[in-house]
Amino acid sequence: SYELTQPPSMSVSPGQTASITCSGDKLGDQFACWYQQRPGQSPVMVIYQDTKRPSGIPERFSGSTSGNTATLTIGGTQAMDEADYYCQAWDSSTANWVFGGGTKLTVL
Amino acid sequence: VQLVESGGGLVQPGGSLRLSCAASGFTFSSFEFNWVRQAPGKGLQWLSYISGPGTTIHYADSVKGRFSISRDNAKNSLFLEMNSLRDEDTAVYYCARQGRDDYNSAYFDPWGQGTLVTVSS
Repeated sequence: SYELTQPPSMSVSPGQTASITCSGDKLGDQFACWYQQRPGQSPVMVIYQDTKRPSGIPERFSGSTSGNTATLTIGGTQAMDEADYYCQAWDSSTANWVFGGGTKLTVL
Repeated sequence: VQLVESGGGLVQPGGSLRLSCAASGFTFSSFEFNWVRQAPGKGLQWLSYISGPGTTIHYADSVKGRFSISRDNAKNSLFLEMNSLRDEDTAVYYCARQGRDDYNSAYFDPWGQGTLVTVSS
């Protein structure tokens, strides 16, 4: 089955840049989305169509792609950005949505 | 725009449960929907998709044949019928609206608050 691979965890100091990667064989053919899930809360979309930021999401959140890897970048990370982040893509061969395993971002 | 799930609870292995997702604040019938679950301390797992008219449906292999997605556009409601429940189905279940942009790329926004299903004897 199709898999999206993310690092399980990463840490960043306040004000620094955090880059979370998501790799998958078909990412070059499909758009990626990113979701933020703070503890005890529902997921919230922060990036769609690889690079687009929804209204209401701070400008410090950005997305990029290179080959089969999508990257979520948080510039000037703040304490409120501490959360789990998930990438997502569509697998057209199975007509299934796929999520990455999630990355726990710690801001310390 | 709001999605509110209900119907979760404690059920014995082998039992059944029907989850509901009530939508408000938008034209329900115009949107596709999905169910996603999250086991305790684990990541997100997509379960099922349904098109606006309800004519196209997809399932993850892990729930195919046991779970059934449906919708009632007249009542602005989405459902997930779950049968033959197993311990590993214990999770928070979310409904999520699927949006599309000008390039037909899709995304999940918003998500409901989730409803907890516990499968245990």
